[in-house]
Amino acid sequence: DAMVIQNPRYQVTQFGKPVTLSCSQTLNHNVMYWYQQKSSQAPKLLFHYYDKDFNNEADTPDNFQSRRPNTSFCFLDIRSPGLGDAAMYLCATSRRQGASNQPQHFGDGTRLSIL
Amino acid sequence: AQRVTQPEKLLSVFKGAPVELKCNYSYSGSPELFWYVQYSRQRLQLLLRHISRESIKGFTADLNKGETSFHLKKPFAQEEDSAMYYCALKTGAGSYQLTFGKGTKLSVIP
Repeated sequence: DAMVIQNPRYQVTQFGKPVTLSCSQTLNHNVMYWYQQKSSQAPKLLFHYYDKDFNNEADTPDNFQSRRPNTSFCFLDIRSPGLGDAAMYLCATSRRQGASNQPQHFGDGTRLSIL
Repeated sequence: AQRVTQPEKLLSVFKGAPVELKCNYSYSGSPELFWYVQYSRQRLQLLLRHISRESIKGFTADLNKGETSFHLKKPFAQEEDSAMYYCALKTGAGSYQLTFGKGTKLSVIP
C-alpha cells in the first residue's frame, strides 16, 4: 500500500539533546508537511516542502529545522529540545497539480518525550 | 486569520441514534472544508471534503456559508464510528496550510 511512514513511533530524548524524526512516502507526492500536535490541541503546521522549496510558518521556532534530501524522505530536526517540545509530530503529504493542492495524507506520527 | 471551532470536546450517543458533530469556521474568503477522522491507534485520515459533496460511511457534511458551518451528520450511529473527528479548513484550492479544530471525540454506546 502506498503510504506515509514515520520512524520511530516513539522517541525519547534528553533536554537539549538534538533529535531527528524521519518521514518517508511511497505516494510520490510533491508536497510534504510537518505538524506538531500537543495534548488535546489541534495539529499545528510547522513547515512544508513543495518539491525542494522550503516554507516555514511564521511562528515556528528557530529550534525546528527540516531537510528533504529527495522526493521520498523528509526529516524534522530539533536542535535543542525543551520540555515544551514534547508532542506528537505528524508528517503529511499531498499532490500539487497546477494551482490545486490535493488533500493531505498523514503518517502515524512520532510521539516525542523529553527527559 | 482563519480559525476552526469544534465546540464539543466529547460527544456520546447511543447506537442507532443520529449524530451531529459541529464545526464553525471564520475566514473571509472561500474556504475548502474537510473532516478528518482518527480511529483508535490509527492515523489521521480524510473522511470527506465539502467540494466532493459525497457520503462516506454514512456521514455527510454541508457547507453553510451563511452560518459559516460545516457540521458532520449521520442518521444512525454505529459502534465503529467511535473515533476522534477533526474539522479542517484550507484557505483556497492552492493553499498549503490546513487549519484544524481541536477535535471532537465521538463515543457510540452499544
